[in-house]
Amino acid sequence: ELKVEQNPLFLSMQEGKNYTIYCNYSTTSDRLYWYRQDPGKSLESLFVLLSNGAVKQEGRLMASLDTKARLSTLHITAAVHDLSATYFCAVPLDSNYQLIWGAGTKLIIKP
Amino acid sequence: DTGVSQDPRHKITKRGQNVTFRCDPISEHNRLYWYRQTLGQGPEFLTYFQNEAQLEKSRLLSDRFSAERPKGSFSTLEIQRTEQGDSAMYLCASSPRPLNTEAFFGQGTRLTVV
Repeated sequence: ELKVEQNPLFLSMQEGKNYTIYCNYSTTSDRLYWYRQDPGKSLESLFVLLSNGAVKQEGRLMASLDTKARLSTLHITAAVHDLSATYFCAVPLDSNYQLIWGAGTKLIIKP
Repeated sequence: DTGVSQDPRHKITKRGQNVTFRCDPISEHNRLYWYRQTLGQGPEFLTYFQNEAQLEKSRLLSDRFSAERPKGSFSTLEIQRTEQGDSAMYLCASSPRPLNTEAFFGQGTRLTVV
């Protein structure tokens, strides 16, 4: 059974600091997705990582994928308050886009 | 097209009642997905459609749950004889071909069973 684990599940940090969220998964996959969710809102796609070694960056967020280690990271550089949200990683169970999701990392960035 | 649309946004129902939710995907997205999300958890896959064909439904939570996409456009998710444990956010998503793209999510329908 595919399991997706994120850590930490909760993170409170000051503006300007750097931090990394980790996403581990239990079976082989060559794809991984990162989403953001604001309170009471829907899910917004951040990154689609399609191969081993894939790295994508958008603003202060950078995501990477190591399929051999079954690990993805979401790195936050010089955090700002607007990045406060819950971040989810998700891995496809099969080719038909049945995603298995982590529990999410709730990120609070204090001004 | 402004994205995936779900209706209603909120639904309060009494235990034992039936409820139906609607999802309008992004135009020309042939794949449509339903997920359930409970507080503090990631989404839980329920079912998906490619055009009008329901290709996976084994993860629907019980036989009280059913989904349709009769013309390959909008979809409905019905829950019969609702229970308090059905209280959750029900999310719909759609995606285009090819497979290596992300899914776009609607705002969700928050169901409260009292």
